[in-house]
Amino acid sequence: KAGVTQTPRYLIKTRGQQVTLSCSPISGHRSVSWYQQTPGQGLQFLFEYFSETQRNKGNFPGRFSGRQFSNSRSEMNVSTLELGDSALYLCASSSIPRGGGETQYFGPGTRLLVL
Amino acid sequence: SQQGEEDPQALSIQEGENATMNCSYKTSINNLQWYRQNSGRGLVHLILIRSNEREKHSGRLRVTLDTSKKSSSLLITASRAADTASYFCATDAKNNDMRFGAGTRLTVKP
Repeated sequence: KAGVTQTPRYLIKTRGQQVTLSCSPISGHRSVSWYQQTPGQGLQFLFEYFSETQRNKGNFPGRFSGRQFSNSRSEMNVSTLELGDSALYLCASSSIPRGGGETQYFGPGTRLLVL
Repeated sequence: SQQGEEDPQALSIQEGENATMNCSYKTSINNLQWYRQNSGRGLVHLILIRSNEREKHSGRLRVTLDTSKKSSSLLITASRAADTASYFCATDAKNNDMRFGAGTRLTVKP
């Protein structure tokens, strides 16, 4: 089985721009979660989608949004980028929603640099 | 904000030695997971321990969970240079909130 894939792997944007990141989960997995990782704040949960519905959302401003498609692929969008949005964005997939005691499998991440 | 707090923040040992990392958390959990991350890459799942379990083994890894103290430990025995990485605990809380700790940076010197 192919693992979780994320595109692009690296991205450079300027303040004020918007960005869309993509995540393809492991085949058969319907839950996709997004995390932001920064040196200062560590790993923080952004949101989770399961069967095209957002189940949970972390404590991030409305500039961070996401969606999930019928094939379980997910996209994350950040609008009006700020310097502090520079981070490694990780997505993880599992066959059941988070918290159900099943392993989440992580992708390699997208490293976003905002200048 | 993070729930789990790992200690130590950094650990440096020689190959062949054992490495022990600890994680403390604050709320009631369904399970606790340990992950490894190499140099800013994705996380690799190591082991999951449920709240009703006290100890689990996987190869050279041994995880313990003490729900009364809200703490867990990860022991890596006979460490190798390839074990050099950051290790994170992640808690699945009963309110479906999943939080990661700040991580322990392990360096294994050959």
